[in-house]
Amino acid sequence: NAGVMQNPRHLVRRRGQEARLRCSPVKGHSHVYWYRQLPEEGLKFMVYLQKENIIDESGMPKERFSAEFPKEGPSILRIQQVVRGDSAAYFCASSTDLNTEAFFGQGTRLTVV
Amino acid sequence: EDKVVQSPLSLVVHEGDTVTLNCSYEVTNFRSLLWYKQEKKAPTFLFMLTSSGIEKKSGRLSSILDKKELFSILNITATQTGDSAIYLCAVGIASGSRLTFGEGTQLTVNP
Repeated sequence: NAGVMQNPRHLVRRRGQEARLRCSPVKGHSHVYWYRQLPEEGLKFMVYLQKENIIDESGMPKERFSAEFPKEGPSILRIQQVVRGDSAAYFCASSTDLNTEAFFGQGTRLTVV
Repeated sequence: EDKVVQSPLSLVVHEGDTVTLNCSYEVTNFRSLLWYKQEKKAPTFLFMLTSSGIEKKSGRLSSILDKKELFSILNITATQTGDSAIYLCAVGIASGSRLTFGEGTQLTVNP
């Protein structure tokens, strides 16, 4: 019974490249959340998705960032034209619905050089 | 704007000590308060609290919520070095999907 699986665990990109972060939720969970943790800071909400729908993207930068959760396959957080300030740990969480606890993945540590 | 404040920001104790971590919040339409433990990787779920005055326990850890005074505490008794971690408090609201996290308390337990 696997938990939330994120890959890759570590990702290094040069400035201007694209970063793709993947998240497979706990089996049976249809709610996925992405959070970003900057060095020495707390977790900040980015986006909440259900299958094929973005429900709340109020925490996600308007430019360069996008997220999807297709009917089949993992949720993807995509960052285009990465900049140094995008370096952070990106965590995905999933839950069965809004009123239950969210379980987190191991995170993807993105480093932009 | 929703706000979650944890204190202290860091704490150093010796094995066997008892610690109390604090979390206060200001949110509209409170739904739940959650505690997580983070050790250089995924935040691990500890407790979810929705009702005042009901203590939740798991081994040496326990937590309680006060919805009138808008705070929660996390107690750890007989601390061990393995308890060293960042403890995160997060609050969810009834109408929303996000969790708002505090900055965390960095707990270090020395042998």
